[in-house]
Amino acid sequence: EPEVTQTPSHQVTQMGQEVILRCVPISNHLYFYWYRQILGQKVEFLVSFYNNEISEKSEIFDDQFSVERPDGSNFTLKIRSTKLEDSAMYFCASSSGVLSYEQYFGPGTRLTVT
Amino acid sequence: GQQLNQSPQSMFIQEGEDVSMNCTSSSIFNTWLWYKQDPGEGPVLLIALYKAGELTSNGRLTAQFGITRKDSFLNISASIPSDVGIYFCAGPIYFSSGSARQLTFGSGTQLTVLP
Repeated sequence: EPEVTQTPSHQVTQMGQEVILRCVPISNHLYFYWYRQILGQKVEFLVSFYNNEISEKSEIFDDQFSVERPDGSNFTLKIRSTKLEDSAMYFCASSSGVLSYEQYFGPGTRLTVT
Repeated sequence: GQQLNQSPQSMFIQEGEDVSMNCTSSSIFNTWLWYKQDPGEGPVLLIALYKAGELTSNGRLTAQFGITRKDSFLNISASIPSDVGIYFCAGPIYFSSGSARQLTFGSGTQLTVLP
């Protein structure tokens, strides 16, 4: 069964450093998303991406964040200058577009900013 | 805003028991989704509901889309140890642009199944 994959599973970085989180969505899906989950809290929407551009973004997704689909398979989230409060699980998700509410999530990247 | 409130926050049940949890909102949702999250993993889609009053099953799981469109229920019958995890309800966020493909999640119900 096709699934969303994410790398790395865990990333430790120092405050102020740039990080890139990588995702490979399900191959025939058209919509891609990033969500964040701070430890013990609920999952929060960050950004959606369709047709090579951002569709919507939340208030969390400020100028420090960017997304890119550099090729036909990868979808990346970049945080330019990490802050302590960026420590969280970051989930990539994708949906087919036909039933776009049915989003399929990857296993997540745990980002720890020290 | 479009907030989803889940209850209970946590549940401890004996293996074999049935369990019920719910999700409510102050605003109407046209779609309800239920996800399960295991520790250190991503949410896994369990059931999607698209019509008020709809009752949908997935194995031992049954979910209902409330008639008012402001609530949804998830029931698990004959619980087993692997049912342990956090169950989240989710629904689409509507932005001013009209797009509605993003999800807002409830705060989750932590289920513990005792042997």
